[in-house]
Amino acid sequence: AQSVTQPDIHITVSEGASLELRCNYSYGATPYLFWYVQSPGQGLQLLLKYFSGDTLVQGIKGFEAEFKRSQSSFNLRKPSVHWSDAAEYFCAVGPNYGGSQGNLIFGKGTKLSVKP
Amino acid sequence: DGGITQSPKYLFRKEGQNVTLSCEQNLNHDAMYWYRQDPGQGLRLIYYSQIVNDFQKGDIAEGYSVSREKKESFPLTVTSAQKNPTAFYLCASSSENRYSGANVLTFGAGSRLTVL
Repeated sequence: AQSVTQPDIHITVSEGASLELRCNYSYGATPYLFWYVQSPGQGLQLLLKYFSGDTLVQGIKGFEAEFKRSQSSFNLRKPSVHWSDAAEYFCAVGPNYGGSQGNLIFGKGTKLSVKP
Repeated sequence: DGGITQSPKYLFRKEGQNVTLSCEQNLNHDAMYWYRQDPGQGLRLIYYSQIVNDFQKGDIAEGYSVSREKKESFPLTVTSAQKNPTAFYLCASSSENRYSGANVLTFGAGSRLTVL
């Protein structure tokens, strides 16, 4: 079955510390991969995406993610967290053929808290 | 600025009432989507539409209905048949292109429905 797993429900880091949010997926073929961020009571904003090519992708707000096919993972990283990064983060996977985004599968999210 | 407008932001409903959530986009996107978000559950797809006058059920369509009479608009009706309608509802759109693979979702700010 196709699925996305974000093992950490809630993570707390100190401001200035590094961050890694985990995402593992189960999919029948190489998928398209996404990370979205959601502030409380708001919609989701795209942080970055992987379609093909370089497996290390850069996104907005200083985030990056690495696609590791052998581990079926797409972990999100940031070298130094800012207080404004406190939010909920969602990993998502979708088909890499000409299909509808209706097939996008979201993880359950990881809530990030930042300590001053 | 182009984007997606959802209204109302907050909505209260008595049991047994139907309510309609509005979603309007000026991005000239072909595809539109409705997701339901519950705490700790991620996003679940309710309905999606790739073109005007056509739409498909998602994973949790029971108790919901949609219409797509105009490209810009994709309203969602939560009917009295939906047994647990209290949730955060997110509308999204994408520039669907069947031949170029997956595209990026743009989200609205959401509508929070509470059943009294």
